[in-house]
Amino acid sequence: SQKIEQNSEALNIQEGKTATLTCNYTNYSPAYLQWYRQDPGRGPVFLLLIRENEKEKRKERLKVTFDTTLKQSLFHITASQPADSATYLCALDISYNTDKLIFGTGTRLQVFP
Amino acid sequence: NAGVTQTPKFQVLKTGQSMTLQCAQDMNHEYMSWYRQDPGMGLRLIHYSVGAGITDQGEVPNGYNVSRSTTEDFPLRLLSAAPSQTSVYFCASSYSGRGVGNEQFFGPGTRLTVL
Repeated sequence: SQKIEQNSEALNIQEGKTATLTCNYTNYSPAYLQWYRQDPGRGPVFLLLIRENEKEKRKERLKVTFDTTLKQSLFHITASQPADSATYLCALDISYNTDKLIFGTGTRLQVFP
Repeated sequence: NAGVTQTPKFQVLKTGQSMTLQCAQDMNHEYMSWYRQDPGMGLRLIHYSVGAGITDQGEVPNGYNVSRSTTEDFPLRLLSAAPSQTSVYFCASSYSGRGVGNEQFFGPGTRLTVL
């Protein structure tokens, strides 16, 4: 079955540093991968999508890479701020003709001042 | 736009009771889905729908029923609640459901406890 692993349950970094979160998957070849942010007590919010033929995608301080050979995506937040503290989820599509997604368990990021 | 709305926000049930979690969206999205989120398990897909009148099972469908009579609404029914169904339930929707990578819009969640 499809399996997604996010590198660690929690990541603590200092304000201003770059946070790097990892998403590894097995047993599937997704056409795209998405990243979501989830704050406590709230639903996930979409951040970025990267397709299988794209190596890198950027949006403001966010950068996502996608290596289909390694079956891995890296999610970077540069110049991190305490407001970036949240849980970040990666998600893979598991169907070529629907929007079905399978989610990783998430990484909880804490940015300290 | 209200986006995706879910009711109730909190619910406590006794084992064996049934109930319906409501989900509605006002964005004219074709694709709607239900997830449950448990500590350490991430979001798991329960059921999904690619349009009115069409539903299908996800990863963990047992104990749940859905129907999609309109584009806007996608209720989730618990037939006979069990403690294992204690979880946070999220409804999500997206524009087309045709596998092109549309972003999913999530509701605020329903926190369900089954005693």
